[in-house]
Amino acid sequence: GEDVEQSLFLSVREGDSSVINCTYTDSSSTYLYWYKQEPGAGLQLLTYIFSNMDMKQDQRLTVLLNKKDKHLSLRIADTQTGDSAIYFCAETPLSGGYNKLIFGAGTRLAVHP
Amino acid sequence: EPEVTQTPSHQVTQMGQEVILRCVPISNHLYFYWYRQILGQKVEFLVSFYNNEISEKSEIFDDQFSVERPDGSNFTLKIRSTKLEDSAMYFCASSEALESDTQYFGPGTRLTVL
Repeated sequence: GEDVEQSLFLSVREGDSSVINCTYTDSSSTYLYWYKQEPGAGLQLLTYIFSNMDMKQDQRLTVLLNKKDKHLSLRIADTQTGDSAIYFCAETPLSGGYNKLIFGAGTRLAVHP
Repeated sequence: EPEVTQTPSHQVTQMGQEVILRCVPISNHLYFYWYRQILGQKVEFLVSFYNNEISEKSEIFDDQFSVERPDGSNFTLKIRSTKLEDSAMYFCASSEALESDTQYFGPGTRLTVL
């Protein structure tokens, strides 16, 4: 079935790089997404990658996709305290007709001085 | 920058009452969605809506739920007879086209059923 798994918690020092990992099950997914949720707020689209790409870079964010292993990662360079949030990985399985997002449980990123 | 808005931000209701959650999607978007997030759990898909009809719904979206686009700007989720387990954050989302598939989310409505 469709499932997205993430580690639940990551703690990094300010200025270091953060790497948040995600695995998914549906190899038919066309797009894979990273969303950010700050406390009490909605889901903010951070970035996405098309399934025929291996890597996408957007300023401090780098997304790596390994289709063979169905593994997606989000690297945040020079992590700041403002990056503290929950990060959700999401896929759009073909079985859903691209209509629905399947989310992981979210990784809580804590940035400390 | 255009954004999805939702009202109210917090709704408290008694079990068995009807609630309507409101959303204003981004104006040129054609696809609309509702998701929910029970406290501490994953964000779950409820329903997608296009061309004035439901295009897909999940098992959660039973007969107690309905969606409507009553005018050119609003998109609503109605829960007919709320249950305690309906307490959750409800997110509305919209996308411009199915192919682009980038869904933009509203800030959510926190529903508390007592």
